[in-house]
Amino acid sequence: DTAVSQTPKYLVTQMGNDKSIKCEQNLGHDTMYWYKQDSKKFLKIMFSYNNKELIINETVPNRFSPKSPDKAHLNLHINSLELGDSAVYFCASSQSQGSYEQYFGPGTRLTVT
Amino acid sequence: GDSVTQMEGPVTLSEEAFLTINCTYTATGYPSLFWYVQYPGEGLQLLLKATKADDKGSNKGFEATYRKETTSFHLEKGSVQVSDSAVYFCALKTGTASKLTFGTGTRLQVTL
Repeated sequence: DTAVSQTPKYLVTQMGNDKSIKCEQNLGHDTMYWYKQDSKKFLKIMFSYNNKELIINETVPNRFSPKSPDKAHLNLHINSLELGDSAVYFCASSQSQGSYEQYFGPGTRLTVT
Repeated sequence: GDSVTQMEGPVTLSEEAFLTINCTYTATGYPSLFWYVQYPGEGLQLLLKATKADDKGSNKGFEATYRKETTSFHLEKGSVQVSDSAVYFCALKTGTASKLTFGTGTRLQVTL
C-alpha cells in the first residue's frame, strides 16, 4: 500500500492557468507538508498543516493556496501559473509536529510552458 | 536562521570505494540531524538520524556522527554499490518545530 500518494505525477500546463495537486496519506499521521524542489534539486518547505491547521507558511506567493479537508489530505492549488513555478512538488507527512521522520510522496513534476 | 551546507556533486566513485559526503550546519539551539536519500524518480526516504551530540546514526552500511564542536554530520560508507547511486540530502530540525531545513543535495554516481 502506498503510504503517501500524490496526483498527478506529471502536470504540463500553460502560463496563467490554475491547477491543483492532491496528496493523501494512509499512515494516520497528524502533520502534512508541501515542499518545492527546483531544477538544481534544492528542496524548500512551503507549507505545513497539523490536524488540518496551518502551522508553517513560508514566504510563498499567495497564488499558492493549500487546503486540508481532513488530516489525511493536503491539496495544493496554484493560481495564475508562472514559468518559475516549474518544479517538482513533494508532499510529506509525519506522525506529529515534533516527529523526527517525514515520509515523502513520489512527487509531482509541474512544467509551465 | 538555520542552514545546511553540503559538498557539491556530483560524486563519482567506482563500486567498493569509500564514500564521504560532507555536511555542516548552522542552527539556533541544538538541532537533530538527518540524512535523506532520493533514488531516481522517487521521493525522499530517511536514511539515518542523530538527535544529540556524539550520537552516531547508521543504516544500510551508511554512518554519520553528530559533531557539535565542528557543527558537522558527514555521511560515510566503507564500500559503495551501484545501487547506492542517488541524491543525498543532509537536513536539520530544531526543537519541536516540524520544519526540516535541507542542504542542496549531493548526487552520487557509482560505476562498475
